[in-house]
Amino acid sequence: AQKITQTQPGMFVQEKEAVTLDCTYDTSDQSYGLFWYKQPSSGEMIFLIYQGSYDEQNATEGRYSLNFQKARKSANLVISASQLGDSAMYFCAMREGLSITSYDKVIFGPGTSLSVIP
Amino acid sequence: DGGITQSPKYLFRKEGQNVTLSCEQNLNHDAMYWYRQDPGQGLRLIYYSQIVNDFQKGDIAEGYSVSREKKESFPLTVTSAQKNPTAFYLCASSIGQTSRETQYFGPGTRLLVL
Repeated sequence: AQKITQTQPGMFVQEKEAVTLDCTYDTSDQSYGLFWYKQPSSGEMIFLIYQGSYDEQNATEGRYSLNFQKARKSANLVISASQLGDSAMYFCAMREGLSITSYDKVIFGPGTSLSVIP
Repeated sequence: DGGITQSPKYLFRKEGQNVTLSCEQNLNHDAMYWYRQDPGQGLRLIYYSQIVNDFQKGDIAEGYSVSREKKESFPLTVTSAQKNPTAFYLCASSIGQTSRETQYFGPGTRLLVL
């Protein structure tokens, strides 16, 4: 079963507008972390934002915020004031567990391609 | 500047040849990882290492090998047993492995078969 779902294969947004990229996840763990990465055409994966399952407030990093709805198992990325440089693939990822003695791998979603239109 | 470097940026492999992809980090991270990315897809884990001289297979380890002789280095060898090696390979590291710890990535190596 797919643990990370990103239902929007491609999205378009007008420059300076806000855009929401969807991510839903599936886990039975109580402790987990959620991550968003940006992958421009150059290929490098750039870390954007992190949300812990026990964090009470939604994470924010500059123009990026994470709309975390735990009961719905949803962790949508909101980009405000889109810029042309935001055009890229965006990946949602999850790591389960808090164990430091065993490895809990990071699971990546299939990604959403975002295109910012001037 | 701290970060992760991967070399080469592009690598060409002939049939039956083993090739090695380099990954070096100066972040003093304990954990390192190798991922494979095929066009239009997400990342799949090949190998990971929690500490020096220790590494574990990921989801698609067949046809690959790794070593971890130094904390800073985690080279990946694509062997001739890997029949479809053409892909984008990403190396990552993290301080540790709990759910709170972020993985940081290198710039990647594109491997092409001649």
